[in-house]
Amino acid sequence: EAQVTQNPRYLITVTGKKLTVTCSQNMNHEYMSWYRQDPGLGLRQIYYSMNVEVTDKGDVPEGYKVSRKEKRNFPLILESPSPNQTSLYFCASRREDYGYTFGSGTRLTVV
Amino acid sequence: ILNVEQSPQSLHVQEGDSTNFTCSFPSSNFYALHWYRWETAKSPEALFVMTLNGDEKKKGRISATLNTKEGYSYLYIKGSQPEDSATYLCAFLRAAGNKLTFGGGTRVLVKP
Repeated sequence: EAQVTQNPRYLITVTGKKLTVTCSQNMNHEYMSWYRQDPGLGLRQIYYSMNVEVTDKGDVPEGYKVSRKEKRNFPLILESPSPNQTSLYFCASRREDYGYTFGSGTRLTVV
Repeated sequence: ILNVEQSPQSLHVQEGDSTNFTCSFPSSNFYALHWYRWETAKSPEALFVMTLNGDEKKKGRISATLNTKEGYSYLYIKGSQPEDSATYLCAFLRAAGNKLTFGGGTRVLVKP
């Protein structure tokens, strides 16, 4: 089944403890993105990638890192999470001229 | 940050009625306009990707039009059904790149 898989689905962590949210797609898509969704603010792009080793900042990149070493994987890294990074995170992938396929989301709480 | 605006923010529709709502976006550096449907407790799903001025796309009872010169797109739902209840998102893709900026969405509730 064609899909974008994010893990974990839910995570509660403490301030400052590094974490990684994994994202993998099995559709050979070139483009991948990370978004966060906050009430009243909609979906905001954190980082995106146009292909292996090509990444760029979205609208809210502060406090996040990404890497794209392989086409299928696009992990999101929070080196030192803070409470303002508590949010619902979505990974998504697409190919040229098509819409995004979204993962199921990761609900992160930083205490 | 680009301004992608959707209106209204929410609307209630009686089952069987038709409705439409708007997405406005910058008219410069246009590459594509995406529409997504987002049901509660699920992930957004792509409806349309529109690239040409005057484009019209249709999927069942849902259709969309695009005006890139003036920077707006309409989404239409014909004969609304309760299963059409969802938040509808538009997203602007600027020329060159993968920076897809979403609007705030229009939340549609279809009442039986």
